[in-house]
Amino acid sequence: GAVVSQHPSWVICKSGTSVKIECRSLDFQATTMFWYRQFPKQSLMLMATSNEGSKATYEQGVEKDKFLINHASLTLSTLTVTSAHPEDSSFYICSARAGVNTEAFFGQGTRLTVV
Amino acid sequence: AQTVTQSQPEMSVQEAETVTLSCTYDTSESDYYLFWYKQPPSRQMILVIRQEAYKQQNATENRFSVNFQKAAKSFSLKISDSQLGDAAMYFCAYRGSGNTPLVFGKGTRLSVIA
Repeated sequence: GAVVSQHPSWVICKSGTSVKIECRSLDFQATTMFWYRQFPKQSLMLMATSNEGSKATYEQGVEKDKFLINHASLTLSTLTVTSAHPEDSSFYICSARAGVNTEAFFGQGTRLTVV
Repeated sequence: AQTVTQSQPEMSVQEAETVTLSCTYDTSESDYYLFWYKQPPSRQMILVIRQEAYKQQNATENRFSVNFQKAAKSFSLKISDSQLGDAAMYFCAYRGSGNTPLVFGKGTRLSVIA
């Protein structure tokens, strides 16, 4: 299957700082990327959908000013957690899809710890 | 909105035996896709099997097969000849037609007993 690389795999940051997570499709062009959040022992919750060149569509309850998503190219989407707080600590996963009826492939996830 | 329900938070199976994980979903769409994903301790999401709603034949991938009952909106996963490496969280997921995201169930944690 296609490869989606997410970086970093884990990050620790101080409260009040911002952290950027990258999601790259390595061998295909991703017209759409999805960002999920997963709390321990829970399922994946969709945060937002981003289409290349367009503003991201956020799910209800997700603060768009806090979780900035950029999808400026067909191979890269970024999620920036701004002014991070301990409650933002979580596992963040991206997935990428080449087209409407194609498979979505997942990155390996990023464990964010805010101290 | 579409919902996916996995009623078994945890399951266990003896090595080499067969286990079935349950999944039901709710949708008003006629065209959609269903998936089972495996999430091992590494937390990498791995696609196990997928089923297109328009296909009547149940999907099969080696030791993994599904029982897709469209009228009942049921999509169970059967794992045959269970192996220790099958131990993981299993998520059932739904995707509608068009450029829509996956909707996940809450997951079932499968333990394999040697």
